[in-house]
Amino acid sequence: GIQVEQSPPDLILQEGANSTLRCNFSDSVNNLQWFHQNPWGQLINLFYIPSGTKQNGRLSATTVATERYSLLYISSSQTTDSGVYFCALRGYSGGGADGLTFGKGTHLIIQP
Amino acid sequence: NAGVTQTPKFQVLKTGQSMTLQCAQDMNHNSMYWYRQDPGMGLRLIYYSASEGTTDKGEVPNGYNVSRLNKREFSLRLESAAPSQTSVYFCASSGGPHNEQFFGPGTRLTVL
Repeated sequence: GIQVEQSPPDLILQEGANSTLRCNFSDSVNNLQWFHQNPWGQLINLFYIPSGTKQNGRLSATTVATERYSLLYISSSQTTDSGVYFCALRGYSGGGADGLTFGKGTHLIIQP
Repeated sequence: NAGVTQTPKFQVLKTGQSMTLQCAQDMNHNSMYWYRQDPGMGLRLIYYSASEGTTDKGEVPNGYNVSRLNKREFSLRLESAAPSQTSVYFCASSGGPHNEQFFGPGTRLTVL
């Protein structure tokens, strides 16, 4: 089944810093999503990015499908960026094709 | 549009009790999903429904049943709750050209 590994597991930064979160995956990708889980537990869609680069404000993401990794960049961090960032790919270890397999996430804390 | 809604938000059960978690979406999506999230983990797929009238097991289906009541609604039932089912449960739906998944706010379930 698909394996999804995220790094680093934890990251503590000062407000205004930049960060790069990495997602490595074991299989070919046809659907990769990045999510932000805020401190209240809500899952917020950030990017759908099976390949290429996208930007949305201070956030951008790049997926290099041939090398099986994706990167999420956060620039000029704000305290509201705190939370857990998940990478997820279509397909799951049980063999089905339709659900998402999640990494364990990167827990980001932005200090004022 | 409300997106994906879930009820209840919180629930406490005793071992052996049963309950049904409700999920509804108003995005006219064909596919719906149930996931569970345990502390420090990503989400794991319990069951999914690719279309009205069909359901399939995910990675961790034991102890659960589902019903796709119609295109909008997908319920998850615990027939005899166990402490190992203490978790946060998320419902999701997907559709559109990329089949991107969108999540509800979650149900926090504690089984004593």
